[in-house]
Formats: sequence, structure tokens, C-alpha cells
Amino acid sequence: DIQMTQSPSSLSASVGDRVTITCRASQGIRNDLGWYQQKPGKAPKRLIYAASTLQSGVPSRFSGSGSGTEFILTISSLQPEDFATYYCLQHNNYPLIFGPGTKVDIK
Amino acid sequence: EVQLSESGGGLVQPGGSLRLSCAASGFTFNDYAMNWVRQAPGKGLEWVSSIWGNGATTYYLDSVKGRFTISRDNSKNTLYLQMNSLRAEDTAVYHCAIHPKYYGATTPFDHWGQGTLVTVSS
Repeated sequence: DIQMTQSPSSLSASVGDRVTITCRASQGIRNDLGWYQQKPGKAPKRLIYAASTLQSGVPSRFSGSGSGTEFILTISSLQPEDFATYYCLQHNNYPLIFGPGTKVDIK
Repeated sequence: EVQLSESGGGLVQPGGSLRLSCAASGFTFNDYAMNWVRQAPGKGLEWVSSIWGNGATTYYLDSVKGRFTISRDNSKNTLYLQMNSLRAEDTAVYHCAIHPKYYGATTPFDHWGQGTLVTVSS
């Protein structure tokens, strides 16, 4: 099975900060990766699909990059509504695997 | 408007069974593969099972193989998860979601249900 690692596991940041989260796959997954945001008690919401395509309706401060085994989610200027937990998901093959998550909270 | 609505969760004793349902509307249900994803209290997201649009092919997390069965009734626009021999570690909120893959490419379509809580405890 593919293993997904995600770093950092948590971070504290201020409004306006630039934030980057990295996801690494144990083997190449082409660009079959999505980034999801989840707030407490809510369903996940996809921000980025195909590694770098912005989901419709998602603010342009979110961006994704990478292919193969290393992927990055960037929030260019953190907003109050962005404090949440972020997960990557590989869907190149089965089992589908989510990264362990990165909790972004207020410094 | 796309809607996915889960039902069927509840409290069940270890070794018991539950059947979850996910009612879908607002899209061509039989065109899309579907997933069940769970989240144990305070933990991360975990994929459980997938089923293709025509129901012909299914996939399972190793720890649920032989205990859980995913199915769908395209005439009723409904996805199911039959869960047998339940264990304490199956306690989680179970979400249905549209699979990211659509005929070999990633679909821009992304929708999740709000989830239904399954608690396995004596």
C-alpha cells in the first residue's frame, strides 16, 4: 500500500501569514492527489484537485503544486476562516489514503 | 443542488450489525463511483470502501474486508454500507462522498454528506 506522510502535523500562524503544508507519497501517484479542509463537526471540503487545480468557489489564496511523490498546499495569506485541519488524499490506487492531517491554529 | 444524506447510524453492541444508507440527489448518481469515509472521534479521515457507478466493482479497507459490504441501488439513487461483526474500533462518523476519479480522470465534482455516527459499545 502507498503510505502518505504530511508535515507539519500542526502549526500556529497569524492572519496574513503564508502557510505551506507538504504531503509525501511512498511511491509515485502522478497528480492523483487532492487537498481537503475540515472544520470541527463538518464534512471535509476539497480545495485542490489533480494536485494543482483550484476547486470551483475556493479562494485563490489557496494553491497546490507537485507531482509524483511530493505535493505542497500553500495558503498565501491566512484568513480567520482558514483555521482548520487540512488533509491530502491520494486516489491513484487502492486503498485510498488520507494524510494524517495538519491542524492550523491561531498564534 | 447536489445532496448526499446519510442515515442508519446508532449505538450497537460489539459483534452487531448496522446498515448505513446514503440518499443522493441533484446529479446523475449512476455516473459516479462513490466512497464511504469514516472519522473516529478526535482522529483523522479514513477511507473505508468504494464502488463503481454500475456497482460491478468494489474495494475495501483491509480491516473491514469480510465484515462490510458496499452496494448501491441506482434506481433509488442510494448507496449502502452493510456493517457486520462490528468492533469498538469501527466507532466513527461515516460519510458518503463522490469518488474523486471519473472514468480515469479526476472529476471537479466534490460532494460529501454530513455523516452518521456509529458507536460500537456494550
